[in-house]
Amino acid sequence: QVHLVESGGGVVQPERSLRLSCAASRFTFSICGMHWVRQAPGKGLEWVASMSSDGGSQYYADSVRGRFTVSRDNSKNTVDLQMNSLRAEDTAVYYCAKGRAAFWLTIDHWGQGTLVTVS
Amino acid sequence: QSALTQPASVSGSPGQSITISCTGTSSDVGGYNYVSWYQQYPGKAPKLMIYDVSNRPSGVSARFSGSKSGNTASLTISGLQAEDEADYYCSSYTSGNTLVFGGGTKVTVL
Repeated sequence: QVHLVESGGGVVQPERSLRLSCAASRFTFSICGMHWVRQAPGKGLEWVASMSSDGGSQYYADSVRGRFTVSRDNSKNTVDLQMNSLRAEDTAVYYCAKGRAAFWLTIDHWGQGTLVTVS
Repeated sequence: QSALTQPASVSGSPGQSITISCTGTSSDVGGYNYVSWYQQYPGKAPKLMIYDVSNRPSGVSARFSGSKSGNTASLTISGLQAEDEADYYCSSYTSGNTLVFGGGTKVTVL
């Protein structure tokens, strides 16, 4: 059973930074693409960023490009999201998600999420 | 990166079938067979229900089925049950190597 646990959420002031981390287990992390998806309070899902299994490819939503950076450590089975210059509109639950092995740019499992409040 | 278009709400009585549509463009839904559907209960993480347009992961009820025609994908729930009351989101891979989600559909079991 895939296990994804996010951490690092909290309350942060506008223009400050925050780093989220996701610990993965119970699957072969090093062969899976990973994703971050967020959900503002009472709103729908919004894709944020994706990273390929080897870290060689990263993709970002227009709303975060240049402010957010995704990274991973395959030796520790972790994927991080560095968030800089935070804005009120970045307030959301941030989910770490696993890409499907057959095609990594689709999501098959989700963590429970961590809440980020920019205020 | 415009969101895919879903109806805000769909309702049905127990035992009935309902269909949720998800409309995109030729750069996402219409261009690739990488449409997924997720079920989300309030305060919970989403759960994959359908992948690659019409495939069900192990453990997902056969009452859930997916299809696609042109730029519109659809999720059908047959034999509607009270436990199906949740939010449903579609997503698609896009030509820009990104993912895009629909706005979500609230399913109500009358």
